[in-house]
Amino acid sequence: DSGVTQTPKHLITATGQRVTLRCSPRSGDLSVYWYQQSLDQGLQFLIQYYNGEERAKGNILERFSAQQFPDLHSELNLSSLELGDSALYFCASSAGPPRGELFFGEGSRLTVL
Amino acid sequence: AQKITQTQPGMFVQEKEAVTLDCTYDTSDPSYGLFWYKQPSSGEMIFLIYQGSYDQQNATEGRYSLNFQKARKSANLVISASQLGDSAMYFCASRGGSGGGADGLTFGKGTHLIIQP
Repeated sequence: DSGVTQTPKHLITATGQRVTLRCSPRSGDLSVYWYQQSLDQGLQFLIQYYNGEERAKGNILERFSAQQFPDLHSELNLSSLELGDSALYFCASSAGPPRGELFFGEGSRLTVL
Repeated sequence: AQKITQTQPGMFVQEKEAVTLDCTYDTSDPSYGLFWYKQPSSGEMIFLIYQGSYDQQNATEGRYSLNFQKARKSANLVISASQLGDSAMYFCASRGGSGGGADGLTFGKGTHLIIQP
């Protein structure tokens, strides 16, 4: 158990809909990262938050948004869903220096029909 | 920008044999970290081992060791005495670069390892 909690584990929805994925980082970790894993693109970095502030942005679509709340949990919002958004979405939190390894949640598997 | 290359899409290995999974990286940073993760079929990403660029010795964690060759920019994962439960996807990653955010990780495409009885 990594200590990172993600909900829901599975989600099936239709094109055009909106979903929210939730993540609780490990106790004490201030950074939260969101990654998308699909068969053709591999693990793609979406966005990072540190203590409530956006810190870095990767290949995140404009239809996607995220935030980190004062209690450090984070939400990833995916809107106007398309078939190609079907993927495994991971949240991770960081132990910070010196190693900075990421601890991943179990992921939220999104299927868009 | 950092880049991770894993040249073995898939590998079949006999149980109890040692396995080497290849990873090369490309970075201009003088200080960096290299990581290996395991992803079993259940989907979770499990951290295995870390190597810092200034570490004098190769990292080891139980049956996992990292063959770090700095001049060649390679960080191969070695699994000794493989077990059926080692069957999984293995990802090499580095810290930093546009692919991983300010402190995040950039991942390679992965190697699918299958251990045969």
